[in-house]
Amino acid sequence: QSALTQPASVSGSPGQSITISCTGTSSDVGGYNYVSWYQQHPGKAPKLMIYDVSNRPSGVSNRFSGSKSGNTASLTISGLQAEDEADYYCSSYTSSHTRVFGTGTKVTVL
Amino acid sequence: EVQLVESGGGLVQPGGSLRLSCAASGFTFSSYAMNWVRQAPGKGLEWVSAFSGAGSTFYADSVKGRFTISRDNSKSTLYLQMNSLRAEDTAVYYCARAVAGTLRGDDCWGQGTLVTVSS
Repeated sequence: QSALTQPASVSGSPGQSITISCTGTSSDVGGYNYVSWYQQHPGKAPKLMIYDVSNRPSGVSNRFSGSKSGNTASLTISGLQAEDEADYYCSSYTSSHTRVFGTGTKVTVL
Repeated sequence: EVQLVESGGGLVQPGGSLRLSCAASGFTFSSYAMNWVRQAPGKGLEWVSAFSGAGSTFYADSVKGRFTISRDNSKSTLYLQMNSLRAEDTAVYYCARAVAGTLRGDDCWGQGTLVTVSS
C-alpha cells in the first residue's frame, strides 16, 4: 500500500487560510469517507484534528475543516496562527482492511 | 483523564524479538478498538496494526507474519509482539485509541516508545 500523496510544505501568513491536499486512489480516499487528519509538533505525539473526512473532535478549533472530492481529501486551516506551525498527516481506510498515512506536510507560518 | 502509556522499547539486534505494552486508563478499554502506529526517525507516520473491539486483528503488509497484536481487557493493556526484527523496524511506536470504527482514525495517543534494531 503506497502512502497517500501530500505536498511537502505549505506556508501562509498569520490570519490567512491554507489548504493541504491528500491524494490517494479509489481503493482508499476515494472509496470511503474514513479520512482523518493529524497535527504533530516536533517531539510530540500526533493529535487528531479531523475524522471521517469532516468531523471535528471536541476541543479542536473550528478553524480546522476537512473535505473530500474524488480521490483527494483536503484540510483547510483558516485564520492561520503561529501555533498551527507543525507537521500534518492524513490517513485513510483502505479496501484491504488496513490504513495508510500520507507523506506529511510541514506547515510554516510566515 | 484518558491516558495511554507505552513501554518495552529498547535496543535489539536484527532477528531479535521485543514485546511492547500500552497501559490504558481513564476509559472503558474493552469498548474501544486500538491501534499501533510507528514513526521512523525523521520520517512520517506508518500504521502497523489494529485490534478491533470484536476481536479481529489487522496488520500492515510490512509486519504481517512477524508482529502479533493482542490485548488483555482485564488489565486494560494492549501488546505488540515483534519477532524477526529488521533495521527498518527502528521507530517510535505509538499506541492509539480508535475514534470510531477500528480503522477510521485515533483520538488519543500515547507518548511513544523507541525501538532501535541494530547490531
